[in-house]
Amino acid sequence: DAGVTQSPTHLIKTRGQHVTLRCSPISGHKSVSWYQQVLGQGPQFIFQYYEKEERGRGNFPDRFSARQFPNYSSELNVNALLLGDSALYLCASSSQGLTLHFGNGTRLTVT
Amino acid sequence: GIQVEQSPPDLILQEGANSTLRCNFSDSVNNLQWFHQNPWGQLINLFYIPSGTKQNGRLSATTVATERYSLLYISSSQTTDSGVYFCAVDDNNNDMRFGAGTRLTVKP
Repeated sequence: DAGVTQSPTHLIKTRGQHVTLRCSPISGHKSVSWYQQVLGQGPQFIFQYYEKEERGRGNFPDRFSARQFPNYSSELNVNALLLGDSALYLCASSSQGLTLHFGNGTRLTVT
Repeated sequence: GIQVEQSPPDLILQEGANSTLRCNFSDSVNNLQWFHQNPWGQLINLFYIPSGTKQNGRLSATTVATERYSLLYISSSQTTDSGVYFCAVDDNNNDMRFGAGTRLTVKP
């Protein structure tokens, strides 16, 4: 079975632009979470979705939004990009919110 | 919110040595997991262990929920064990909090 897949793997954007990151969970997993990992730090929780409903939101500005589709895939959107948004964005899926399985991440660079 | 502290921050070992990594958390948790992040950034789940003891090959973990800590043991370390080890906890707010990690370097 395929693991969690994320696209794109790398992305370079300019300040003020918008970005959309995509995630496909492991087959059968209905929960998807998004994390931001800045170099040298642990991942920081952004959102959790379960059955297409937002179940949790971390301490991130409203420029960050997400949604989950009927097939349980998910998108993370970031508007008005800032230099500080440069990071590795990780998606994780789980069955009933238990063991997290992470994708390989999208490395976003904002210039 | 819940605080997670990991120690030591850095650890350097010779191949074949054993090590113990610690995770302290500030409140009751219903979910605790250990992860290994390899040098390419991939996060691999090692254990789901909100309480008790588990073993998987050379790795084992113990969580003492009443005393709010968890330990990860690595025996007979190999160079491929190098990377960053993270502890993450959830206090039922659907918000997994990660510690700052322990960076392990295993030298041949």
